[in-house]
Amino acid sequence: GAGVSQSPRYKVAKRGQDVALRCDPISGHVSLFWYQQALGQGPEFLTYFQNEAQLDKSGLPSDRFFAERPEGSVSTLKIQRTQQEDSAVYLCASSPFTRDSHRTPLHFGNGTRLTVT
Amino acid sequence: DAKTTQPNSMESNEEEPVHLPCNHSTISGTDYIHWYRQLPSQGPEYVIHGLTSNVNNRMASLAIAEDRKSSTLILHRATLRDAAVYYCILRGLNNNDMRFGAGTRLTVKP
Repeated sequence: GAGVSQSPRYKVAKRGQDVALRCDPISGHVSLFWYQQALGQGPEFLTYFQNEAQLDKSGLPSDRFFAERPEGSVSTLKIQRTQQEDSAVYLCASSPFTRDSHRTPLHFGNGTRLTVT
Repeated sequence: DAKTTQPNSMESNEEEPVHLPCNHSTISGTDYIHWYRQLPSQGPEYVIHGLTSNVNNRMASLAIAEDRKSSTLILHRATLRDAAVYYCILRGLNNNDMRFGAGTRLTVKP
């Protein structure tokens, strides 16, 4: 079956431009996560959705970062006025919701590599 | 948040077993131990998880210390395709996220 799909695969933006990164989770997956991965580092948590509700946005690095999931499926991560330090791979993951969510594996997409010049 | 400690890198020869260690001395009683791996240019991939007992699946085995303060991911016969960064992560009851560390970069030599 189809996995988590992210687009675009690569994005080059000039400093100051706005970008929008898309995530198509696995159909029926209630939970959706965004991570940021800098070169040579592990992924860093950004935000978490349960259906359309954004339950945790504690990892968003600044108010230039905004995520939405209006219909509880596709999600968009938007970065306004991009800066060079925003250059990273942005990963999306989804999982089905269970009462024991801490036992449930996450399914990751292959990410969008953002380069800000 | 409970944290994990892993060696930065390890090397293995092809077709030999690999034991990847992880220390998590501040683990709580309800934390599950998860392992993921990340191949080059791909997103992380689930490998295995466990709570107290050792676990086996088609990819690997997970050995958990009796006091749960450490665990070991075991690849029984390393192949070149197992070269990746391996992450050991604790996931608690109230955590909606997974906090990754730097992981262990595994190199497999032919």
